[in-house]
Amino acid sequence: GAGVSQTPSNKVTEKGKYVELRCDPISGHTALYWYRQSLGQGPEFLIYFQGTGAADDSGLPNDRFFAVRPEGSVSTLKIQRTERGDSAVYLCASSLTPFDRGRGVGYTFGSGTRLTVV
Amino acid sequence: AQKITQTQPGMFVQEKEAVTLDCTYDTSDPSYGLFWYKQPSSGEMIFLIYQGSYDQQNATEGRYSLNFQKARKSANLVISASQLGDSAMYFCAIDNQGGKLIFGQGTELSVKP
Repeated sequence: GAGVSQTPSNKVTEKGKYVELRCDPISGHTALYWYRQSLGQGPEFLIYFQGTGAADDSGLPNDRFFAVRPEGSVSTLKIQRTERGDSAVYLCASSLTPFDRGRGVGYTFGSGTRLTVV
Repeated sequence: AQKITQTQPGMFVQEKEAVTLDCTYDTSDPSYGLFWYKQPSSGEMIFLIYQGSYDQQNATEGRYSLNFQKARKSANLVISASQLGDSAMYFCAIDNQGGKLIFGQGTELSVKP
């Protein structure tokens, strides 16, 4: 697609429920990143995929968070037993390769999914 | 570990004037990239400018320029001829060899007419 697409744009869920957030990267981008942005903060790294594999999941806060990218394109971030502290905007980004910063174009972000846990 | 520090929570600038947003960083990697992003109230992250650690010249992109002082580990963003549409949050970020970005806390810029 033309840009990084994230669905849903807004999600309200009850504490303890399971949620899935979807990211559809730019076609051909091999690297995909998930970030979490709490109110008034900068985005925090969660996980990064190179192709189908998670190359770095050091930012996942605990084992309730899991992400997959089975075919190397669309990725799903899964959160089990949601807590109110999980409320945030979840941002997805993609880049052609993880090392194309030399091209100076950086990453392309999606518009995010605003998750609210009540 | 890499770290970005933005010490200005909020900044005001008069329309048509220039403004500098501060960013200092900490890293032990010899090779790194520095980024600035704009985040308007709509929430999207808009890439503004990039500086590589080995780039000899300061990066410029239209009204945006990056004042890169490697010895001081600073990468300040300069916006010239401010416009009302520049009002937004601005984030400085650094990436490591793996490509993930580490962001600062951000600076909220308000442009006054």
